[in-house]
Amino acid sequence: AQSVTQPDIHITVSEGASLELRCNYSYGATPYLFWYVQSPGQGLQLLLKYFSGDTLVQGIKGFEAEFKRSQSSFNLRKPSVHWSDAAEYFCAVGRNRDDKIIFGKGTRLHILP
Amino acid sequence: EAGVAQSPRYKIIEKRQSVAFWCNPISGHATLYWYQQILGQGPKLLIQFQNNGVVDDSQLPKDRFSAERLKGVDSTLKIQPAKLEDSAVYLCASSLDRELAGGETQYFGPGTRLLVL
Repeated sequence: AQSVTQPDIHITVSEGASLELRCNYSYGATPYLFWYVQSPGQGLQLLLKYFSGDTLVQGIKGFEAEFKRSQSSFNLRKPSVHWSDAAEYFCAVGRNRDDKIIFGKGTRLHILP
Repeated sequence: EAGVAQSPRYKIIEKRQSVAFWCNPISGHATLYWYQQILGQGPKLLIQFQNNGVVDDSQLPKDRFSAERLKGVDSTLKIQPAKLEDSAVYLCASSLDRELAGGETQYFGPGTRLLVL
């Protein structure tokens, strides 16, 4: 069965600094990969997704993620964070288009002024 | 376009009581999902509907949880009787159609926060 690990429970960065959130997945073939963001009291919003093709995926709000098959990773990056990026970020994996997706436990991002 | 609607937003009940949550998906979305998100964890799928049929309910505790999606639009999730460990946020999501390119993207509602005392 597929699984996803987000090694960092909390991450703190200064406003304007770069960000990288880690995500590792376990699945034999090429998975469907997603990053979602959850702001306090809000539902989850899709930032980006990867199914195939270019391994560098651009998303909304200036986020990008890179699929690295050799490392079984799909890390989320942003060159310069804003205070409004403070939220919880979830990586998720699915086996194919029809399969349910499995969420990681999330990484809570804190922004220092 | 209106998003996924859920009600109520908050609910406090005592253990052994019953509770029901309602979800109205985005218009035209064939697939509807219910997730349970316990504090400090990611969402866990409870049940997935395709139109009004169940696609996956393998993680639904069927002895106390039930869900229906009559007419393939709105859905209701019920817990009867509730336990302390059911305290969580219950998220509803919908997607257009997983068979279509891009149709697998799930759109989430704001959730219902349940506290069982």
